[in-house]
Amino acid sequence: GAGVSQTPSNKVTEKGKYVELRCDPISGHTALYWYRQSLGQGPEFLIYFQGTGAADDSGLPNDRFFAVRPEGSVSTLKIQRTERGDSAVYLCASSQKTNTGELFFGEGSRLTVL
Amino acid sequence: AQSVTQLGSHVSVSEGALVLLRCNYSSSVPPYLFWYVQYPNQGLQLLLKYTSAATLVKGINGFEAEFKKSETSFHLTKPSAHMRDAAEYFCAVSKSYNTDKLIFGTGTRLQVFP
Repeated sequence: GAGVSQTPSNKVTEKGKYVELRCDPISGHTALYWYRQSLGQGPEFLIYFQGTGAADDSGLPNDRFFAVRPEGSVSTLKIQRTERGDSAVYLCASSQKTNTGELFFGEGSRLTVL
Repeated sequence: AQSVTQLGSHVSVSEGALVLLRCNYSSSVPPYLFWYVQYPNQGLQLLLKYTSAATLVKGINGFEAEFKKSETSFHLTKPSAHMRDAAEYFCAVSKSYNTDKLIFGTGTRLQVFP
């Protein structure tokens, strides 16, 4: 389809392991966003990219979290030394341009840390 | 700092009845306000947005919302509910000059009974 694609849809890992979550945005969308949604909560901003660069990473909770977008399209969210508190649905969204508020979200990657 | 509060995590209505989902915001600067909807097994999608052009905003699927500065509210309404409106609805706020960082509420799950 032509929407935002996220893989894997589900990931179960053990505490302390490393995890990568991938996002493939809508073709031509220059802005890409990562949000995290914990159970019973709304999406929480993590980081957004304009092109290849991270324009705002103020939502990343700590230095175990890192995201890249090397070619300005696909993005990977990387989590080191996972903790049980990292369990959540990680949402990716893209937008044709920044500062519109109109984000197109993927279905998310559900991460469970045992 | 900005935030939104959605009153009622669950709302149930009969088909054909009025839908009213409540959202109150807090913002130190003029806000932009949004409603997003998440249908089962789909990503969030934009329903409507307020960007100061008009206080009554019409969105998709017959929904509308009214910005009331005196009440710091942005409630979502629809005159007549359909079964297909059953979904989770999220209110979000951003700074007017930076809509790339949306602050979401905790969501309201709408159930529609026949």
